[in-house]
Amino acid sequence: AQTVTQSQPEMSVQEAETVTLSCTYDTSENNYYLFWYKQPPSRQMILVIRQEAYKQQNATENRFSVNFQKAAKSFSLKISDSQLGDTAMYFCAFFLTGNQFYFGTGTSLTVIP
Amino acid sequence: SQTIHQWPATLVQPVGSPLSLECTVEGTSNPNLYWYRQAAGRGLQLLFYSVGIGQISSEVPQNLSASRPQDRQFILSSKKLLLSDSGFYLCAWSGGTRDYEQYFGPGTRLTVT
Repeated sequence: AQTVTQSQPEMSVQEAETVTLSCTYDTSENNYYLFWYKQPPSRQMILVIRQEAYKQQNATENRFSVNFQKAAKSFSLKISDSQLGDTAMYFCAFFLTGNQFYFGTGTSLTVIP
Repeated sequence: SQTIHQWPATLVQPVGSPLSLECTVEGTSNPNLYWYRQAAGRGLQLLFYSVGIGQISSEVPQNLSASRPQDRQFILSSKKLLLSDSGFYLCAWSGGTRDYEQYFGPGTRLTVT
């Protein structure tokens, strides 16, 4: 069975600083997708970034980037130049083709002005 | 472009009353559809998913049920609500050429009193 673990329930970062959110997962499969979703106070789930497991290059979307370590089954999210609007719950997720999505329990990030 | 709608946005219902939450997707055909529940301060719990009309898979046995009467319509129901049914309900869809990505509706906040 696939599992996703986020070991940091809460984190905080000063505005304009950089923060890294951790995620580990467990699977015996080789081809899969990993995601980070953001859930702001409005509770709308927003896709932040995607990583295909077959790609060695780490995905980047503006201020958001990932550190994908396939052998270690680690998928961390780095937010650079943190902004107040980044305050949200962040969920790591895993998808196996033909299967369902698996979500971690989330990390609550607060950006401090 | 694809959009996903959920209604109602908020709902307050007494214990023992029935429930019907609706989710519709526009701009795509034959989507995979999902119902999740999110308890306060917690992660996402997959309740049901559907890969086609009339095809429903249940992940968590409980007093909730789901139906898919039309290709892009997904309904979450209950005959008698329990206090433990309170939470935030999210509908999501995936499919098309990027079925490895999941997109969420705005959610319904259900309070059972």
